[in-house]
Amino acid sequence: GENVEQHPSTLSVQEGDSAVIKCTYSDSASNYFPWYKQELGKRPQLIIDIRSNVGEKKDQRIAVTLNKTAKHFSLHITETQPEDSAVYFCATNQGGGADGLTFGKGTHLIIQP
Amino acid sequence: NAGVTQTPKFRVLKTGQSMTLLCAQDMNHEYMYWYRQDPGMGLRLIHYSVGEGTTAKGEVPDGYNVSRLKKQNFLLGLESAAPSQTSVYFCASSTGGGFDQPQHFGDGTRLSIL
Repeated sequence: GENVEQHPSTLSVQEGDSAVIKCTYSDSASNYFPWYKQELGKRPQLIIDIRSNVGEKKDQRIAVTLNKTAKHFSLHITETQPEDSAVYFCATNQGGGADGLTFGKGTHLIIQP
Repeated sequence: NAGVTQTPKFRVLKTGQSMTLLCAQDMNHEYMYWYRQDPGMGLRLIHYSVGEGTTAKGEVPDGYNVSRLKKQNFLLGLESAAPSQTSVYFCASSTGGGFDQPQHFGDGTRLSIL
């Protein structure tokens, strides 16, 4: 089935610096790429998503880039703040949408004061 | 507007017992999903439904059954619980038309099997 590799598993950055999390996927039919943020003990919450007809999308301090040729997409967080500390998951739809979403294993982002 | 509601929030079972987890959504969504989340494994799809009366297997369906008798409800059943099913279970829903729509998650059910 579809594999989604997410790196790094843990990322520690100084407050105010930028953070980048990368994911690679294997199915060329994938066309939807969401990112979720999950705080400890809470539900995953969608923070940004991108579809295959777009190469980049921004929402304030958060951006996602997609390279369909190389089959990878990345989450960029600028001017990091303490409230950005959480686990972030990438995901993509298998078979272009036949079998739901496949998630990466998550990145624990730690913002150092 | 409650969104996606899961009951119960916590449960402890003994090996071999059965139980049903309930997911309810009030957003008139067509698609509903059950995931399990284990440490270091991310979220894995158990079963999903693309409409009332339909269900399909996900990545890890063994040991679970589901039913979607009403559009707003999606039930996950464990017929004979095993310690390997200790996990946090999340329900999600999305609008129809394909698996390229945002999924909205409930707060989760933390299940322990002794």
